[in-house]
This record gives sequence, structure tokens and C-alpha cells, in this order.
Amino acid sequence: AQSVTQLDSQVPVFEEAPVELRCNYSSSVSVYLFWYVQYPNQGLQLLLKYLSGSTLVKGINGFEAEFNKSQTSFHLRKPSVHISDTAEYFCAVTTLNYGGSQGNLIFGKGTKLSVKP
Amino acid sequence: GAGVSQSPSNKVTEKGKDVELRCDPISGHTALYWYRQRLGQGLEFLIYFQGNSAPDKSGLPSDRFSAERTGESVSTLTIQRTQQEDSAVYLCASSLERAGGTGNTIYFGEGSWLTVV
Repeated sequence: AQSVTQLDSQVPVFEEAPVELRCNYSSSVSVYLFWYVQYPNQGLQLLLKYLSGSTLVKGINGFEAEFNKSQTSFHLRKPSVHISDTAEYFCAVTTLNYGGSQGNLIFGKGTKLSVKP
Repeated sequence: GAGVSQSPSNKVTEKGKDVELRCDPISGHTALYWYRQRLGQGLEFLIYFQGNSAPDKSGLPSDRFSAERTGESVSTLTIQRTQQEDSAVYLCASSLERAGGTGNTIYFGEGSWLTVV
């Protein structure tokens, strides 16, 4: 079975500062990795995903994430945040090969990013 | 429609009553998922449908919870004899095919907020 750990439940940061939201996963098989964002009172939307190829993945709104297989991590980064980036961010995983494994995404508990002026 | 549609957006019910939550997935999406998000918690997988295959019910928390899907269209999540701990946002999502094994993006609705009083 797969699991996702987001070590930081809350991350406060000042506007224009860089930010890193940490995500580690556990799986006995190869995985696909995702980051979703949930703005206040809205549904989740996809920021970016890693399927294969380059380990550095660029997403919407200037976010990027790097897949590190040896450290089983998929940390999300942005070099300069805006007030509008205030939201909750969820890391998720699913298996590379279906083969009877779960078809759904397994989510972490989320990290609340709070950007202050 | 353009996105995943859920209704009602808000529901307040008395403890012990049954509730039905409806989800209309993106047209053409064969996979449909239900997740639960309690206040301050991450996303908890409930159930997943893939085409005409038997649904994956492994996430349903008790036999008070059930879900149906007609073909590749609308799904209904039913909670019988609601309890206060059922209060949460119930999120429906859909994807072209199952996310597991494909890496397909899951698209979320805005959720149905259930409050049991």
C-alpha cells in the first residue's frame, strides 16, 4: 500500500519569499505523484504531476516540484510567493502499474500555506 | 457540463436521518471517486467506480455508507442514520480512466458540505 506524509501542517511565509512544501511517500512499487491546491471554499485543482522523464516538473502559477526517488520525496517549491497563493496544498500518489492495486489517489493530510504581506 | 457538478452544495440534517449526495462527472470520464474531508483533515478515500467494473468500496467507513453509479454517469452517495461524526465535505471527482496505472488527472467538484446536528 502507498502512503503520503506532509510533514508541515502549516507554513507561514512573507510575500515574495521563497517557499518549499515537503512531501514524502512510501510505496513498494513505482508511483505517479501529484500536487493539488485548494483555495478557500473551493474544490481541489491540479498544480502539477510527475509521470516519468525529467524529475523537475513545472506546474501552474509558478510552482515546481522535484521527484527524488532515493529520498522518496516530491517537494513543492516556488521562488517568490504572492498573497494569492494562500491555500491548502495536498500531495498525492498512485501506482505506476494497476495490476489489482488501487485505482484512486492517496492524499497527504495537506499543508496550509499562509502568505503574509 | 464543463466540470464535476455536485449537489447539494450545503446540507444540514438531523442526527439519525438519511442523506443523499449527488455527483455528475465530466462527460466521457469512466472513473468516478468519492472522498471525505473533515474539518482540518486531509482527504479520505471512500469509494471508486471504473466503468462497469465492481466498485472499490475499501474506503467506506461503515455499512451506513453506500454509493451507486448508473453506467458512466451520475453517482449518488447515501449515508444512512447520520451521526455527528459524518459532518464533513464530501468531494466527488472523475477522470478519463482510473488514476492508478495511468497517471490520469483526477478532477474534483466543489464538494457537498454536510452538517449533522
